[in-house]
Amino acid sequence: NAGVTQTPKFQVLKTGQSMTLQCAQDMNHNSMYWYRQDPGMGLRLIYYSASEGTTDKGEVPNGYNVSRLNKREFSLRLESAAPSQTSVYFCASSTPRDKGYGYTFGSGTRLTVV
Amino acid sequence: AQSVSQHNHHVILSEAASLELGCNYSYGGTVNLFWYVQYPGQHLQLLLKYFSGDPLVKGIKGFEAEFIKSKFSFNLRKPSVQWSDTAEYFCAVKPPSGNTGKLIFGQGTTLQVKP
Repeated sequence: NAGVTQTPKFQVLKTGQSMTLQCAQDMNHNSMYWYRQDPGMGLRLIYYSASEGTTDKGEVPNGYNVSRLNKREFSLRLESAAPSQTSVYFCASSTPRDKGYGYTFGSGTRLTVV
Repeated sequence: AQSVSQHNHHVILSEAASLELGCNYSYGGTVNLFWYVQYPGQHLQLLLKYFSGDPLVKGIKGFEAEFIKSKFSFNLRKPSVQWSDTAEYFCAVKPPSGNTGKLIFGQGTTLQVKP
């Protein structure tokens, strides 16, 4: 099925460990995003990529890095995990404005940092 | 700071009651507006969106929203809720600047519908 695939679905890290969250879409979208969801705070944009080879900071980029490996893949890296990064992470891709900014979300990665 | 605010954090209703969830934003200029729903254990799904034209927008599952430009508001309504509407609801704004579709989300409203 066409969509956005995220791996892993669950992860527990110790403080200071690093990891990369993977995201891939097969809808040929140019734009991709990483959001984090925390109770009472909605979704907050971490980084986004308007097209292959470009990335930009969102609302809460500190402690994260991203790579837009190709048009399909957009990964999020935590270099040194902190308990404040415990969250649910969603990757998404979207169509452009003339197609109505149609977002497709992945199923999420639930990350716990202890 | 520019933002999106949802006034109600947790709403409890009985089936058949009417629903209105508030959403205000602080961006000037032309914005695009969205409401998303997240059912328990699932990812976000689009309920409806406003780009231009008729400020009363109809979405899926009987939901509608009204854009009031002078009030910077985009409130979500449903005349009669069902138990299956229990979910978290997010208002989102595409700010005027930039060509990407990056969205700024509100804090979310948890709706609990009692049978």
